[in-house]
Amino acid sequence: EIVLTQSPTTMAASPGEKVTLSCRASSSLRYMHWYHQRSGTSPKLWIYETSKLASGVPNRFSGSGSGTSFSLTINSMETEDAATYYCQQGSNYPPITFGAGTTLELK
Amino acid sequence: QVQLKESGPVLVQASETLSLTCAVSGFSLTDYGVFWVRQPPGKGLEWMGIIWRNGNTDYNLALKSRLSINRDTSKNQVFLKMNSLQADDTAFYYCTRGVYPGILDYWGQGVMVTVSS
Repeated sequence: EIVLTQSPTTMAASPGEKVTLSCRASSSLRYMHWYHQRSGTSPKLWIYETSKLASGVPNRFSGSGSGTSFSLTINSMETEDAATYYCQQGSNYPPITFGAGTTLELK
Repeated sequence: QVQLKESGPVLVQASETLSLTCAVSGFSLTDYGVFWVRQPPGKGLEWMGIIWRNGNTDYNLALKSRLSINRDTSKNQVFLKMNSLQADDTAFYYCTRGVYPGILDYWGQGVMVTVSS
């Protein structure tokens, strides 16, 4: 089973700040997917196949990476970006595995 | 448009069986797989299992002995059954549509299930 390790666990960013969230895999992957979840709501697909933005996702978001190291970047933090972000591997399943999540707070 | 909606009991007694239904619309179960994912309150996401578009299933090994997923394509419904529930099965349960490669592109609103002793 592929283990995904996200870092940091929690972070705070000010409006306008650049934010980078990391996801490392225990084995090499072709793709990484990312999900966005606000408290009390279901997760939403945010970035798929490493770098493709899901419908409606602002273009200040981007995804990158390869092999065992992937990241989600917000070019300029906005208030509405405060949420928990989960990475998920879809290259080698079953099983599907998720990272433990990074909670991004507004500073 | 694509929609998934979970339904089932919100309170289950310990050692009993959980039965959940996922009603889908906007797509065919013979064209897409449906995954079940759960999330204990305040914690992360755990994949439970999948029913593929051909009706085959795969399960999380940690749950395999207790879990079964089935479907009724004529009713556009997917069913989850899990027996021998314990307190740590208390969670939000979500059904999601899956597309290759393992993308969970649409999620239901989830149902919160509490296991009571």
